[in-house]
Amino acid sequence: GAVVSQHPSRVICKSGTSVKIECRSLDFQATTMFWYRQFPKKSLMLMATSNEGSKATYEQGVEKDKFLINHASLTLSTLTVTSAHPEDSSFYICSASVASGTGGTQYFGPGTRLTVL
Amino acid sequence: AQSVAQPEDQVNVAEGNPLTVKCTYSVSGNPYLFWYVQYPNRGLQFLLKYITGDNLVKGSYGFEAEFNKSQTSFHLKKPSALVSDSALYFCAADSSASKIIFGSGTRLSIRP
Repeated sequence: GAVVSQHPSRVICKSGTSVKIECRSLDFQATTMFWYRQFPKKSLMLMATSNEGSKATYEQGVEKDKFLINHASLTLSTLTVTSAHPEDSSFYICSASVASGTGGTQYFGPGTRLTVL
Repeated sequence: AQSVAQPEDQVNVAEGNPLTVKCTYSVSGNPYLFWYVQYPNRGLQFLLKYITGDNLVKGSYGFEAEFNKSQTSFHLKKPSALVSDSALYFCAADSSASKIIFGSGTRLSIRP
């Protein structure tokens, strides 16, 4: 149980285009979903937290107009990287939590490797 | 500032030997503590978590972790390492509102 999927697993795009990444909780309803960015050989950097039906909460330094997050349902959240540039190339990972508040275990998707040419 | 520290970038262990991956935390209150494992080009897999109660927590794949409040540590352990345990391990703490603080990660390498 508690499976989270991401699509696509890998995407290559040209500079200036937009890319949408989907995150789905397959066998549970997620009250909260999270988006992380991971640089090579580095830890995860939390980008934003989203709750179904409400606006995402972005971490300091993350441009909300560039990284658009939509949490349309309890099983789906999307991250759109708008006007992507090479510096946006990274490994993006989503997670979903089955419980709100402290202690809710986060279950992670397999990640999406974004390469911007 | 709240933080989670993993002092070792890499840990090398021979197959069959016990392994320990260290983690200390500096988080206010009584945090919930987690261990996750990441294989190459994959997301994180949940191994175990400590909320309260017994200081020794047992998790997936034979791993366990020992919570020590006085030393603010939550070290990951396994009695007998397997080559397939080679991966990147992250310690994490959750102190409020489901926002998790991750350590920098420790690469575990098990040699045959």
